[in-house]
This record gives sequence, structure tokens and C-alpha cells, in this order.
Amino acid sequence: DAMVIQNPRYQVTQFGKPVTLSCSQTLNHNVMYWYQQKSSQAPKLLFHYYDKDFNNEADTPDNFQSRRPNTSFCFLDIRSPGLGDAAMYLCATSRGYSGFYNEQFFGPGTRLTVL
Amino acid sequence: EDKVVQSPLSLVVHEGDTVTLNCSYEVTNFRSLLWYKQEKKAPTFLFMLTSSGIEKKSGRLSSILDKKELFSILNITATQTGDSAIYLCAVDILNFGNEKLTFGTGTRLTIIP
Repeated sequence: DAMVIQNPRYQVTQFGKPVTLSCSQTLNHNVMYWYQQKSSQAPKLLFHYYDKDFNNEADTPDNFQSRRPNTSFCFLDIRSPGLGDAAMYLCATSRGYSGFYNEQFFGPGTRLTVL
Repeated sequence: EDKVVQSPLSLVVHEGDTVTLNCSYEVTNFRSLLWYKQEKKAPTFLFMLTSSGIEKKSGRLSSILDKKELFSILNITATQTGDSAIYLCAVDILNFGNEKLTFGTGTRLTIIP
């Protein structure tokens, strides 16, 4: 089945130790999104790609970077994780931007713990 | 600043009851409003609403949008324990030429058997 896959499902890292989260999709969607969701809060958009066109949210910390080497894969790099970065990280995809094409399909998420 | 507000924050009802969840918004460049159900994993899509007054229906769930009063409601009839989840409302807006979703904080719905 076509889907959005995130690896790993659970990631434990140490304070300041770089970590990379992975997202892949078999939907062949143009847009891939990364969200951060902390406990009892709404998902917060960090950035997204339309094809290779990168779009950063204004309040996304510089500590967070992303790469999209091809249509199928997108990575979230956290260069120096702090305790405040512990959260669920959700990857989502959509066909495009307009109307029906903006329906977003989410992966299962990666829960990041920072020790 | 774009804002999406959901109410109530939390709701506990008995199985078989009908519930109404509310979502109001203040945004610029509104495109559509989406409802998601989130259990112990990522949100799953329920409805997308773009036009006022047209009800979308899927089984026991239905939703409607009022673009004049800037709100939407999600109704669930004959609730079941499997309906227990967080229900998220999100508004699709056009932001400096890019579209993005702005989410509300969600309504936590608990169904008691």
C-alpha cells in the first residue's frame, strides 16, 4: 500500500548530539512537510518542500535543518538537540497546494527523547 | 496572526451520545478547513471543507463550514468507544505565496462505555 514511512519510530539522543530523522513516501507526492508536536499541543509546521523548493517557517530554529535528496525521501536534522526539542516529529505529504491536492497524509511519527 | 481555536478542549460523554465539536478561525487568505482524528499516532484525515453551508458526511460523522461567521462544527452521532481521540481542526491558508496548515490545539474526546 502507498504510504508515508518514518524511521525510527522512537529515537533517544543525548543533549547536544546530532540526530537525523527519516521520512519516505510511496505516494509520489510533490510536497513533504515536517511538523513538531509537543505533548497536548497542535502540530507545528517546521518547513516543507515542494519538489526541491525548500520553504522554512519564520520561527523554525536554526538548529533544525532538512534535506530532500529525491522525491521519495526527506530528512530532518537536529544539529544540537536541547531538552526542549523532545517531541513527536511528524512527516506529511500532499500532492500539491491547491484544494483537494492539499490533503495531507501523515506518517506514524518519530518520538524523540533528549537525555 | 493567524489563529485557530477549538472548543471544548476536552469532552467526556457516554456511548451513544451525540457530540458537537467547534472550530473557529481568524486567518488571512483562507483556502479550506480540514478535520483530523488523532489517536496514539499521526492524525488521519476526516474532511476538507471549502464552501459554506455544504455538509460533508461520512458514516456517523458530519461537518459543515460557515465562512461568514468563520467557524466549523464536527458532529458525531451515536458515539462509540472507538471514537475516543483528539480531533484536530486545521485551516489551509496562503502564506506569502505558499500554502500551509495552521492547526488548533484539538478537542480531546473520551467516550465512556
